[in-house]
Amino acid sequence: EDQVTQSPEALRLQEGESSSLNCSYTVSGLRGLFWYRQDPGKGPEFLFTLYSAGEEKEKERLKATLTKKESFLHITAPKPEDSATYLCAVRLVNYGQNFVFGPGTRLSVLP
Amino acid sequence: NAGVTQTPKFQVLKTGQSMTLQCAQDMNHNSMYWYRQDPGMGLRLIYYSASEGTTDKGEVPNGYNVSRLNKREFSLRLESAAPSQTSVYFCASSEEERGGLAQYFGPGTRLLVL
Repeated sequence: EDQVTQSPEALRLQEGESSSLNCSYTVSGLRGLFWYRQDPGKGPEFLFTLYSAGEEKEKERLKATLTKKESFLHITAPKPEDSATYLCAVRLVNYGQNFVFGPGTRLSVLP
Repeated sequence: NAGVTQTPKFQVLKTGQSMTLQCAQDMNHNSMYWYRQDPGMGLRLIYYSASEGTTDKGEVPNGYNVSRLNKREFSLRLESAAPSQTSVYFCASSEEERGGLAQYFGPGTRLLVL
């Protein structure tokens, strides 16, 4: 069964304390891995797409990396405005436009 | 440029009532999606439309129907609402862009079925 898990479920950081979020997947064929940010009461906001192992993408304090079985979202020197739920999703080879989402990691950055 | 818009923002239904959730995008995207989001379960795909005139089932299609009215609009219909359909519903659209596929989501419709 195609599955996406994320850890930790929740993470509290002090402002400036760098850390990483994990997204692990067991799927029959990967056609892309996606990271989103979701603020309370809002729709997910697209961050990154990664397609192949070894690929990295950066945006401000965020860097996403991909291996054959997992992806990491590294947050460097986070600020309180980085507090949100971070979602990852995989696009499957044999399912057209089908995406499988993980449950998310709730990040809180304290001032 | 409004992106993806959804109406209504919030709705309360009684069991057995029907309703249609509306979604529109102004980004000229070919693909559109309907998801539901429940606590602890992540987003789950209900239906998607790869292009105007086509629709396909996702992971949880039972109890729902969709219509891709034109390239801009994709509606989701609940014919006979059930309490299990209480959820937050998100519409999204996507297009291949430089750097890969990007999905853009609407603000959501919060549905409560009593």
